[in-house]
Amino acid sequence: KQEVTQIPAALSVPEGENLVLNCSFTDSAIYNLQWFRQDPGKGLTSLLLIQSSQREQTSGRLNASLDKSSGRSTLYIAASQPGDSATYLCAFLFMNTGFQKLVFGTGTRLLVSP
Amino acid sequence: DAGVIQSPRHEVTEMGQEVTLRCKPISGHDYLFWYRQTMMRGLELLIYFNNNVPIDDSGMPEDRFSAKMPNASFSTLKIQPSEPRDSAVYFCASSGGPSAKLFFGSGTQLSVL
Repeated sequence: KQEVTQIPAALSVPEGENLVLNCSFTDSAIYNLQWFRQDPGKGLTSLLLIQSSQREQTSGRLNASLDKSSGRSTLYIAASQPGDSATYLCAFLFMNTGFQKLVFGTGTRLLVSP
Repeated sequence: DAGVIQSPRHEVTEMGQEVTLRCKPISGHDYLFWYRQTMMRGLELLIYFNNNVPIDDSGMPEDRFSAKMPNASFSTLKIQPSEPRDSAVYFCASSGGPSAKLFFGSGTQLSVL
């Protein structure tokens, strides 16, 4: 069974800090990974998508990397802002019994204080 | 595009009642997914459709749950009869391909008393 683990579960930082969120997976046969943001009471918003053949993607202050050999992905947020406060989830697309399946981590709850 | 649209936003019902959740995917998206989110289990895939056809329903918890997609712009998730343990946030999501970005609706908060 594929498992996705996110560390830390919660993180609190002052505004302006650079930070790294971690995600690890147990099955290296992935197609891609996505990083999502979820605000309280809202749905998930896809931030970045990395195909299995890629190593990283960047969007503004966000940079996501993928290392299949070690089973890890990181989301780097530069110069954090209070508006970045949210729960961040990673999700890996696996092949499971003939079907493609997106498996989510449990998320990292980020609080950026002014 | 208005994004993925779900209704209702909140549903409170009594145990034993039938519950129907609705979803309109983004126009042109061939894949539609139903997820359930709880504090204990996180996000779980219930079922997904490709071109209106159910592909993988292995996540549907039991026979009380059923999902349909009668056309490319509408899907329903039905629970009959509902139980308190079904209380969760149910999300619908769509994408333009099996490995494309996933777009989520705002979810339906279901409370079964």
